[in-house]
Amino acid sequence: AQSVTQPDIHITVSEGASLELRCNYSYGATPYLFWYVQSPGQGLQLLLKYFSGDTLVQGIKGFEAEFKRSQSSFNLRKPSVHWSDAAEYFCAVGARAGTALIFGKGTTLSVSS
Amino acid sequence: NAGVTQTPKFRILKIGQSMTLQCAQDMNHNYMYWYRQDPGMGLKLIYYSVGAGITDKGEVPNGYNVSRSTTEDFPLRLELAAPSQTSVYFCASSLDRQSYNEQFFGPGTRLTVL
Repeated sequence: AQSVTQPDIHITVSEGASLELRCNYSYGATPYLFWYVQSPGQGLQLLLKYFSGDTLVQGIKGFEAEFKRSQSSFNLRKPSVHWSDAAEYFCAVGARAGTALIFGKGTTLSVSS
Repeated sequence: NAGVTQTPKFRILKIGQSMTLQCAQDMNHNYMYWYRQDPGMGLKLIYYSVGAGITDKGEVPNGYNVSRSTTEDFPLRLELAAPSQTSVYFCASSLDRQSYNEQFFGPGTRLTVL
């Protein structure tokens, strides 16, 4: 079955500290992988995506993610977190256009000062 | 470009009432989707469309209907609202088969059924 697991429901990080959000997926075909961010009361904004090629991808707002096929993982990282990064983060996997993205249940990030 | 727009932003319905959630995109995308988001559950696909006149069910279609008469618009209809349909609804779109299913989301409609 196709699924996405985000093991951490809630993470608190100090401002300026590094961040890693975990994502593991189960998908039969070659996956397209995405990270979205959702601020309170807002829609989903695409942070970054992986389709093929270089397994380390750069996104907006200083985020990056690494695709590891052997571990079926696509973890999101940021070297220095800002208070404005507090939000909910969703990992998603999909195939060709016209099919559903399969979303994880999300990780809520809190940033402490 | 306005991207993907949704109306209304908020709505409260009584059980048994009906309503239509509007969704429009101005990016000339062929594919459009409706998802619902429940707390702690991620997003689930309700319906999708691969072009005008073509729609298909997603994972959770019961209690909903859709139509796609134009490329731009993809309304979602609730005929007999039930408390289980209390949720946040997101519309999304993607360009075509070569776009790797990168989906662009609207701001959402928060629906409460009492």
